[in-house]
Parts: sequence; structure tokens; C-alpha cells
Amino acid sequence: DVKVTQSSRYLVKRTGEKVFLECVQDMDHENMFWYRQDPGLGLRLIYFSYDVKMKEKGDIPEGYSVSREKKERFSLILESASTNQTSMYLCASRGGEGKDLDIQYFGAGTRLSVL
Amino acid sequence: GENVEQHPSTLSVQEGDSAVIKCTYSDSASNYFPWYKQELGKRPQLIIDIRSNVGEKKDQRIAVTLNKTAKHFSLHITETQPEDSAVYFCAASSFYGQNFVFGPGTRLSVLP
Repeated sequence: DVKVTQSSRYLVKRTGEKVFLECVQDMDHENMFWYRQDPGLGLRLIYFSYDVKMKEKGDIPEGYSVSREKKERFSLILESASTNQTSMYLCASRGGEGKDLDIQYFGAGTRLSVL
Repeated sequence: GENVEQHPSTLSVQEGDSAVIKCTYSDSASNYFPWYKQELGKRPQLIIDIRSNVGEKKDQRIAVTLNKTAKHFSLHITETQPEDSAVYFCAASSFYGQNFVFGPGTRLSVLP
């Protein structure tokens, strides 16, 4: 069973703080993703990574950065948190074999509130 | 880039009835179309997927149909049960997930 673990379920931060959201997967997947989920907007891709130290911008990268120093870990960084970054953040990984290659497996999510 | 639309945004059905959710996509290069179910407070989980080389796929009470010409695909749930109540997301992806785009979601409520 693929396991994608996000370090925090709930976070409360203040405007201007630097925030780190951590995600770890245990299936040696090459691809990892960060999404934010907002009501009525579905899942929007922030960044993804297809290999260690490689990253690509998604649809809404502004105000975020990422780090992938090790294959199993993909971090999302809010350099200076703002109230409009209050949201649910979901991490996913992908990279099985055969017909499972395309399946994305999600973490449980981190609900971030920026005050 | 790819754009995925999903309708309806909310859907209420009586237990035992069928539910249909429709999605359209814009990128003709998309070739993989998964459906995810997200129960309240839980992570999205894949329930069924279809690739562009088939027109229909079925798994027990769930089926997905794909019309590549019209660029739309649909999720069909028959004999709905209260545990089917959730938010359902469709998605479209081209080669190796570089364009994995989700629809906005459909909140399905199955009324007892």
C-alpha cells in the first residue's frame, strides 16, 4: 500500500511567517505534486517534481516555492504567508509500474490558516 | 493548457437511483482520465480510470464512458448508497502527468 504522509493535519500561522509543509512517500515514486484545494475550485496544482532537485511550476505557483532534496520528500514553502493562502494543501505522488504508473496517491492534507 | 469542466457542481439523488457526473476537457492530447472520490475529511482516492483506447469501463456499480471525439467523459453510479455521498473529481492527463488537471468537483448526496 502506497503511503503519502503529510507532517501536519492543521497549522495556524501569522501573516508574514515562513511556512514549511512536508510530504513523504514510501514507494520510491519519481513524481510528487503539491495542490491546494478550495471550495468550488477543485484541486489546483502549485508545483510538481519529476526527480530529485527538479521542479516545475503548476498553475498557481505565485507565493510558493518547493524543495526536493531526497526522492521521498517534497516540501512546500510559503516564503511570507498571506491570508489568501489559507487553504487545504494536498500532496500526491505518482510513479508505479505498468497500469499503476498514472495513479496519483494523495496525502491526508494539511489545513493551513493564516491569521 | 488543459482545461477540465465538470457538471453538475452538486447532485442529490434518492438511495437506489443512478447518478451521472459529466466532464469535458480541451486538450486532444489527453489520454488518461481518472475519477477520484473524496469523503468528508479524507484524502481523494482513485475509484476508476479510463484510457483513450477504450470507450467504456465498468467496476461493479461504477462505470466511466469516454467520447474522445467530443472530448467528454462521464461517471455513472448505479444503485446509489448513502456511502456514495462524497465529492467526486474528474481529471485529464496527457503524457506522464505533466498536464494532470482536475475538474472543480461534484458534491453528491445520496438521500435515504
